[in-house]
Amino acid sequence: DQQVKQNSPSLSVQEGRISILNCDYTNSMFDYFLWYKKYPAEGPTFLISISSIKDKNEDGRFTVFLNKSAKHLSLHIVPSQPGDSAVYFCAAREYGNKLVFGAGTILRVKS
Amino acid sequence: SAVISQKPSRDICQRGTSLTIQCQVDSQVTMMFWYRQQPGQSLTLIATANQGSEATYESGFVIDKFPISRPNLTFSTLTVSNMSPEDSSIYLCSFSTEGQPGSFGQYFGPGTRLTVT
Repeated sequence: DQQVKQNSPSLSVQEGRISILNCDYTNSMFDYFLWYKKYPAEGPTFLISISSIKDKNEDGRFTVFLNKSAKHLSLHIVPSQPGDSAVYFCAAREYGNKLVFGAGTILRVKS
Repeated sequence: SAVISQKPSRDICQRGTSLTIQCQVDSQVTMMFWYRQQPGQSLTLIATANQGSEATYESGFVIDKFPISRPNLTFSTLTVSNMSPEDSSIYLCSFSTEGQPGSFGQYFGPGTRLTVT
């Protein structure tokens, strides 16, 4: 049973436009949500996190929005750059600082 | 932020053998974790490595197959024992931080790509 779902396997965006990556979860006990970027043959790079008591967190070009009532979060990247092309994973923290990951979304930013 | 490294970066091993993966963090961290990413799949937690005590394993993972050591606050090892082709994966270690109230992050090493033939 997938507790964290990324329903879009891939997304293609034009350079300079906004990329919106979505994530849904089922466990209301998750207290933090994180986004990672991963290139092939590398470990995931931590991008941004948000506490469940907030609805928005921003860091440079990256903004994460959390809608607790809908159990939905999204990552906005603006403006998108070709170097942003990678696999993006959504993750949620449960007890013991353990993370549960979604399946990932491949982002392609076209120049 | 702390730097985390893993050795080896990749290996090709024969079935039935064992491989030990090392994870080093350049500062002391309380919690370290081992994950696996099988081909085409997401990351799955294997175990939490606790300093001074036994590792805590997730459902589906057992100590005999994946023994873990955590001798101090900067180092951990994961051994993949009696390997089969199904163990071919990327193995990743990570550590977590919680600085200011309301902030949390978990940082990953570069991974070890294991192929079992």
